[in-house]
Amino acid sequence: SQQGEEDPQALSIQEGENATMNCSYKTSINNLQWYRQNSGRGLVHLILIRSNEREKHSGRLRVTLDTSKKSSSLLITASRAADTASYFCATWNQAGTALIFGKGTTLSVSS
Amino acid sequence: KAGVTQTPRYLIKTRGQQVTLSCSPISGHRSVSWYQQTPGQGLQFLFEYFSETQRNKGNFPGRFSGRQFSNSRSEMNVSTLELGDSALYLCASSLALASGGPSPSTDTQYFGPGTRLTVL
Repeated sequence: SQQGEEDPQALSIQEGENATMNCSYKTSINNLQWYRQNSGRGLVHLILIRSNEREKHSGRLRVTLDTSKKSSSLLITASRAADTASYFCATWNQAGTALIFGKGTTLSVSS
Repeated sequence: KAGVTQTPRYLIKTRGQQVTLSCSPISGHRSVSWYQQTPGQGLQFLFEYFSETQRNKGNFPGRFSGRQFSNSRSEMNVSTLELGDSALYLCASSLALASGGPSPSTDTQYFGPGTRLTVL
């Protein structure tokens, strides 16, 4: 079963616009990770945010975490066509031995 | 440092056959996990290996098996292939400094490019 659920399922924007994706999860977590996947290829790790962090930045990425609401958001600023991909949030299961993924948000950035 | 590598990248098999996929983790990483990705079910955990031992297994039938070698390289095998086994199979490695395996508070899993398996 999915731990994280991303919202929206699909997002279409123009280059230069910002893209925001949300993730909700069900159980308590130690950290939450965001991954990108280009067209059915491998997953690329973007950022990890720990449960005691509220916000984290990496380049054009900004991730927030609200443990009281069990939710996280990923903001990509000044989107580029190369950002077109599926984005997944993932959390470790209770045993800490497997990542549980949401179904992802498909982002399409047009020039 | 080289990333996670998986071979082969693409594979076509017919129902009833078996298949073996290979994964080489990032140098120094001790934990290797396998995931299956399908359009319908999304990304699902298959199993995880640490120090040549399978420590955790997802909810998959016994036709799915794996092993890990002393150099941390891992293989997964699917026997008696079914059409529904068509998927992208992803391998991930993590440092797992903690003696018990991946540390949920700190570890990042790094994924390989995947093997695209098509069962006809």
